[in-house]
Amino acid sequence: EAQVTQNPRYLITVTGKKLTVTCSQNMNHEYMSWYRQDPGLGLRQIYYSMNVEVTDKGDVPEGYKVSRKEKRNFPLILESPSPNQTSLYFCASSLSGRANYGYTFGSGTRLTVV
Amino acid sequence: SQKIEQNSEALNIQEGKTATLTCNYTNYSPAYLQWYRQDPGRGPVFLLLIRENEKEKRKERLKVTFDTTLKQSLFHITASQPADSATYLCAPEGSSNTGKLIFGQGTTLQVKP
Repeated sequence: EAQVTQNPRYLITVTGKKLTVTCSQNMNHEYMSWYRQDPGLGLRQIYYSMNVEVTDKGDVPEGYKVSRKEKRNFPLILESPSPNQTSLYFCASSLSGRANYGYTFGSGTRLTVV
Repeated sequence: SQKIEQNSEALNIQEGKTATLTCNYTNYSPAYLQWYRQDPGRGPVFLLLIRENEKEKRKERLKVTFDTTLKQSLFHITASQPADSATYLCAPEGSSNTGKLIFGQGTTLQVKP
């Protein structure tokens, strides 16, 4: 089944403790992206990747890192999480780097930083 | 800056009627516009994509229009069913060639039996 898999689904952590949210797609998509969703603010892009080894900042990249060493994986790293990073996170992938193909989203990771 | 506006108020309709959701964008002209469905706590699901040179696109009970003069897209669900109840997100392409979609905040549709 074609899908984007995120792990974990739920995570509660403490301020400053480094964490990684994994994202993997099995569709050979070139484009991958991370979004966060907050009430009243909608979906905002954190980072995106046009292809392997090519990543760039989205609209809200502060406090996050990403890497794209393999086509299928695009992990999101929070080096020192803070409470304002409490949010619902989504990984998405698409066939190409233009918006002429639909995105496939993962099921989401609900992160709470205390 | 680019701005996407969708009706923030929930849309309540009776089963069997046509639901019409509106998406307005300002300050730019996207080449593509997409619509997604999102259920609470779940990831958005892609529904339809329409290109700037297409006036209308259909898929089963769904229809999307794209008026580049009015800077508006309309999303219609005909013969609506309670299972259509969800939040619908409008997502035009961003102005730079980054593949980025800019998402509206969505309109919640409630279809009553």
